Amino acid sequence: NAGVTQTPKFQVLKTGQSMTLQCAQDMNHEYMSWYRQDPGMGLRLIHYSVGAGITDQGEVPNGYNVSRSTTEDFPLRLLSAAPSQTSVYFCASTARGEQYFGPGTRLTVT
Amino acid sequence: GQQLNQSPQSMFIQEGEDVSMNCTSSSIFNTWLWYKQDPGEGPVLLIALYKAGELTSNGRLTAQFGITRKDSFLNISASIPSDVGIYFCAGRDSGGSNYKLTFGKGTLLTVNP
Repeated sequence: NAGVTQTPKFQVLKTGQSMTLQCAQDMNHEYMSWYRQDPGMGLRLIHYSVGAGITDQGEVPNGYNVSRSTTEDFPLRLLSAAPSQTSVYFCASTARGEQYFGPGTRLTVT
Repeated sequence: GQQLNQSPQSMFIQEGEDVSMNCTSSSIFNTWLWYKQDPGEGPVLLIALYKAGELTSNGRLTAQFGITRKDSFLNISASIPSDVGIYFCAGRDSGGSNYKLTFGKGTLLTVNP
């Protein structure tokens, strides 16, 4: 039981490039979410999903896309990276009201 | 939307001292969660609270769900160097989604050996 896994651990992009941050969980949780963490801003919700085929926007969705084709996977896509998207990204899954986080992806956009 | 104020923002203490931090919300919550984040890692759930007045311990950590349902407290007794990290509170309001959480901005704890 690996819990919530994220890849890659670190990534550097140039402005305008696109990429996908991977997230997977093996706990059969219906609810998954993506956050970004910036100094002094805490954790801000980007997108979330209440089950396969269902996604919705969080607090800061602009510049990001998500899809949920399976219960296990919830990838986050950056369409055209911008320096403002430099951040640490966390994926989480939730059951019984308790949210469990992955180890994070540290993204730098130059 | 909900606002969740966490204090203090940071604390510098000596090993062996007790620590207290708290969170207050602008609305009534039905769940309070406390997390710890080590440098370079994701937040790890420490304690979950589901009832007003509930007091729950996890080793040297004790958390309480405030009786007004608008606040929660975390205490750490006899701190040790590995307690260093950022502590976050999170809550779920009674009128919102069963899943979405609101997070505090964290308390950075430094423990001097």
